[in-house]
Amino acid sequence: QKEVEQDPGPLSVPEGAIVSLNCTYSNSAFQYFMWYRQYSRKGPELLMYTYSSGNKEDGRFTAQVDKSSKYISLFIRDSQPSDSATYLCAMKGGGADGLTFGKGTHLIIQP
Amino acid sequence: DVKVTQSSRYLVKRTGEKVFLECVQDMDHENMFWYRQDPGLGLRLIYFSYDVKMKEKGDIPEGYSVSREKKERFSLILESASTNQTSMYLCASFSGGSNQPQHFGDGTRLSIL
Repeated sequence: QKEVEQDPGPLSVPEGAIVSLNCTYSNSAFQYFMWYRQYSRKGPELLMYTYSSGNKEDGRFTAQVDKSSKYISLFIRDSQPSDSATYLCAMKGGGADGLTFGKGTHLIIQP
Repeated sequence: DVKVTQSSRYLVKRTGEKVFLECVQDMDHENMFWYRQDPGLGLRLIYFSYDVKMKEKGDIPEGYSVSREKKERFSLILESASTNQTSMYLCASFSGGSNQPQHFGDGTRLSIL
């Protein structure tokens, strides 16, 4: 069983729609959860960073973590064509460990 | 803003060559990482370092080594490049606390012919 599962898409939605991106994981030691956005030929850019369960909002982006279900989500409101990218979920336990990534979801926002 | 700089965006080398990939960060971060990213496999951790001259193996260290002689610089070394090491290589760093996120460079796309 893979540690982090993420639907690769592509996910295509019209401009202005609410987008929901999700990951599930199996390792209960994960405590820190991140969402990165990656444009073609660029490195991952940190979007959201949360610790343990709960919600975090930043502008049009909301991250949710449900540790009891081992499930994390990223919501994008009022989606824009510039949001078209690959979205990577990532997580880690305590300490200076490396991140464990999902394989990324390719998102397309149609104008 | 955190700046992680990888010295080359694109690199083409031949099988058997010794290849050096360089990464520099300007935020005095203790922790630095090397990942590779492949279609269908995602990002996988190769090596990381939590201090100068310290290194730890990640999930896929075979065929690679690293060097950290100065805090700001972390080098990935392919001892004898092979075609299956053709990939996108990403460097990341973060400061000491475990509750800090990692910041990435723009990657080096390496082709081994």
